Amino acid sequence: EAQVTQNPRYLITVTGKKLTVTCSQNMNHEYMSWYRQDPGLGLRQIYYSMNVEVTDKGDVPEGYKVSRKEKRNFPLILESPSPNQTSLYFCASSPSGQGWEQYFGPGTRLTVT
Amino acid sequence: AQSVTQPDIHITVSEGASLELRCNYSYGATPYLFWYVQSPGQGLQLLLKYFSGDTLVQGIKGFEAEFKRSQSSFNLRKPSVHWSDAAEYFCAVGAGGNKLVFGAGTILRVKS
Repeated sequence: EAQVTQNPRYLITVTGKKLTVTCSQNMNHEYMSWYRQDPGLGLRQIYYSMNVEVTDKGDVPEGYKVSRKEKRNFPLILESPSPNQTSLYFCASSPSGQGWEQYFGPGTRLTVT
Repeated sequence: AQSVTQPDIHITVSEGASLELRCNYSYGATPYLFWYVQSPGQGLQLLLKYFSGDTLVQGIKGFEAEFKRSQSSFNLRKPSVHWSDAAEYFCAVGAGGNKLVFGAGTILRVKS
């Protein structure tokens, strides 16, 4: 089944403890992206990647890192999480090189205390 | 910069009634337009897309949307709503910059 998977689905952590949220897609898509979703704000892009070893900032990149060493994987790293990063995170991939038709993972709900 | 406005935060309709969710975008050229649906606890699912051609596009689950260039709109419609349509709906525009820009979403409630 063609899909985007994320792990973990739920995570509660403490301020300053480094964490990684994994994202993997099995559709051979070039483009992958991370979003956060907050009430009333819709989805805001954190980072995106148009190909292996190519990443770029989205609208809200502060406090996050990403890497794209393999085509299928695009992990999101929070090196020192803070409470304002409590949010619902979505990974997405796209067959379009520009990322315009995106397919989303199930989401990761992160709470930072 | 491109932007998307969904004027209605919440909409309530009766089961079996028709539905129209509004979406306005800001972009100088013809954008690529999308509607996504998010059921509670789920990720976003693509309902339909407009790239070019016929301005009335059909999607999954009986939804359709019409692109109106003169009004910069891409409203989503369904002739008869089912209780399972209750969800949050997002309009998005792909208009350069290698990304989608999303509206803030409209929550649809369905009355039985």
